[in-house]
Amino acid sequence: ETGVTQTPRHLVMGMTNKKSLKCEQHLGHNAMYWYKQSAKKPLELMFVYNFKEQTENNSVPSRFSPECPNSSHLFLHLHTLQPEDSALYLCASSHAYAGGDTEAFFGQGTRLTVV
Amino acid sequence: GDSVTQMEGPVTLSEEAFLTINCTYTATGYPSLFWYVQYPGEGLQLLLKATKADDKGSNKGFEATYRKETTSFHLEKGSVQVSDSAVYFCALKDNNAGNMLTFGGGTRLMVKP
Repeated sequence: ETGVTQTPRHLVMGMTNKKSLKCEQHLGHNAMYWYKQSAKKPLELMFVYNFKEQTENNSVPSRFSPECPNSSHLFLHLHTLQPEDSALYLCASSHAYAGGDTEAFFGQGTRLTVV
Repeated sequence: GDSVTQMEGPVTLSEEAFLTINCTYTATGYPSLFWYVQYPGEGLQLLLKATKADDKGSNKGFEATYRKETTSFHLEKGSVQVSDSAVYFCALKDNNAGNMLTFGGGTRLMVKP
């Protein structure tokens, strides 16, 4: 248990569906992240939020829409996805300063399958 | 830009064998270095870290030493167990460039009884 909780753990959705992934942390962190982990590919950073403000969008298609209503919660809204979007989506959090001890804590991920 | 390069896997070892997973990095600033581990079906967990040159991070029998002269942070364990089977990720955080991590591609370790 890392203190970062993601729901659901598994999700199967059709290409025309709309769904949302949820991430929650109560570690007192003020930076949150979405990563995509596909088979045989490096971890891809998708979005970064610092103090609820989006500070990084790594050229992610608009069918992925993040939302950060407060420092403890992060959502990823999904619509009209493609089969190649099937992957493990990982949420992480950390303190939002550049100190050397700043480490990221990861959730267990949501395994998404687009059919 | 910053980058991390790890040896490609999978690495297959017998139980009690010695483990080395190589990691080298490039960074424009003075990074902190991390090893994360991902067990099957799970997210990433921090294994160990080092924040300055010559620091040694250690945890659960794993060690890695921050070598600035060779820009390396190789992961070692003297005697692996079946339960160490996982994917290991080397990562860096450039302390002059915010709080984002740059990850290597991951190395899968399989330990056989």
